[in-house]
Amino acid sequence: EDQVTQSPEALRLQEGESSSLNCSYTVSGLRGLFWYRQDPGKGPEFLFTLYSAGEEKEKERLKATLTKKESFLHITAPKPEDSATYLCAALHNTDKLIFGTGTRLQVFP
Amino acid sequence: KAGVTQTPRYLIKTRGQQVTLSCSPISGHRSVSWYQQTPGQGLQFLFEYFSETQRNKGNFPGRFSGRQFSNSRSEMNVSTLELGDSALYLCASRFGGATGELFFGEGSRLTVL
Repeated sequence: EDQVTQSPEALRLQEGESSSLNCSYTVSGLRGLFWYRQDPGKGPEFLFTLYSAGEEKEKERLKATLTKKESFLHITAPKPEDSATYLCAALHNTDKLIFGTGTRLQVFP
Repeated sequence: KAGVTQTPRYLIKTRGQQVTLSCSPISGHRSVSWYQQTPGQGLQFLFEYFSETQRNKGNFPGRFSGRQFSNSRSEMNVSTLELGDSALYLCASRFGGATGELFFGEGSRLTVL
């Protein structure tokens, strides 16, 4: 069964404490892996697209990487404004986007 | 450039009623997708419309339906509401093509009593 699993469910970090979020997937004919950020009461906001194993994308304190079975979202020296739920999604070969349930990140000053 | 607009933002219905939600995509975007978001299940795909045609459909019962108009605006309808239909319904648009780069609205929060 096609599935996207994110871990941990929740993560509490001190400001400046770097960490990584995991997204493992089993999806038929993966056509792309996507990361989104969702703030409370808002819709998800697109962050990154990764298409092939070994690919990396960076934006400010965030870096996304992809292997054949999982993707990581690395957060370097996070700030309180990075607090949000981070979602990953895999694009199936039927053109359906399958989302994980997200990692809720809290960064404390 | 205006983002994706969803109306209404909040609504309360009772079991057995029906509801219609509206979505206006970003100007120039021809694809509109709908997702249901609940705390336990996360985001689940309902359906996608492109140029007024349903391109893809998720695993939801026939009580969930949608349509797209010639101006790309979309509506989704849920008939015979059940308590379990309480959720945040998100609409997303994209310019076209097979991509997961979606632009989401802020959602319509439906509570079924």
